Amino acid sequence: QQQVKQSPQSLIVQKGGISIINCAYENTAFDYFPWYQQFPGKGPALLIAIRPDVSEKKEGRFTISFNKSAKQFSLHIMDSQPGDSATYFCAASISRGRGSTLGRLYFGRGTQLTVWP
Amino acid sequence: DAGVIQSPRHEVTEMGQEVTLRCKPISGHDYLFWYRQTMMRGLELLIYFNNNVPIDDSGMPEDRFSAKMPNASFSTLKIQPSEPRDSAVYFCASSLRNYEQYFGPGTRLTVT
Repeated sequence: QQQVKQSPQSLIVQKGGISIINCAYENTAFDYFPWYQQFPGKGPALLIAIRPDVSEKKEGRFTISFNKSAKQFSLHIMDSQPGDSATYFCAASISRGRGSTLGRLYFGRGTQLTVWP
Repeated sequence: DAGVIQSPRHEVTEMGQEVTLRCKPISGHDYLFWYRQTMMRGLELLIYFNNNVPIDDSGMPEDRFSAKMPNASFSTLKIQPSEPRDSAVYFCASSLRNYEQYFGPGTRLTVT
């Protein structure tokens, strides 16, 4: 069972446009929501992360929007650039408290973003 | 810091052979994760360790797969015997407590 559902599977955006990737989860115990970026031939790398006590977090051109009641969160890439072309993964985890799943990341299936120049 | 180190970077082997993948986590990190990535199944968690102790190995696909972490600076993932469907990119990641996971460059395994 997929704990985190991600869409779309692929996305094509023109340079300068806004890229939006959406994720949804079911487990209300999740309290940490990172986004990872992966370039071909490389391992995923943390891009930006949010905790559910805030509704938005912005770092440069990257913004996470978080809707706790809807159990959804999304990544917005403003002024998308060809260098942003990569695969993006959303994830969720339980980062506090106890339990055998503490620290485990549940990943979405990924979104392949292509930004045309 | 050198980051997470994995070896080999590429491995080509014949069906039935034993394959051993190696990982050196970032010094001081207490969590270590093994993932497998394929086009069909995406990123799958195989097993993870906390302070060298396996916590969850429910993602290990079959008894052919085994993982060990004899000390804080080294882990292995072994496949014996290997099969063509094991072909994938295998990633090792480490983290301090339960915060950001740092991924290694991966090992691309091809089983013919």
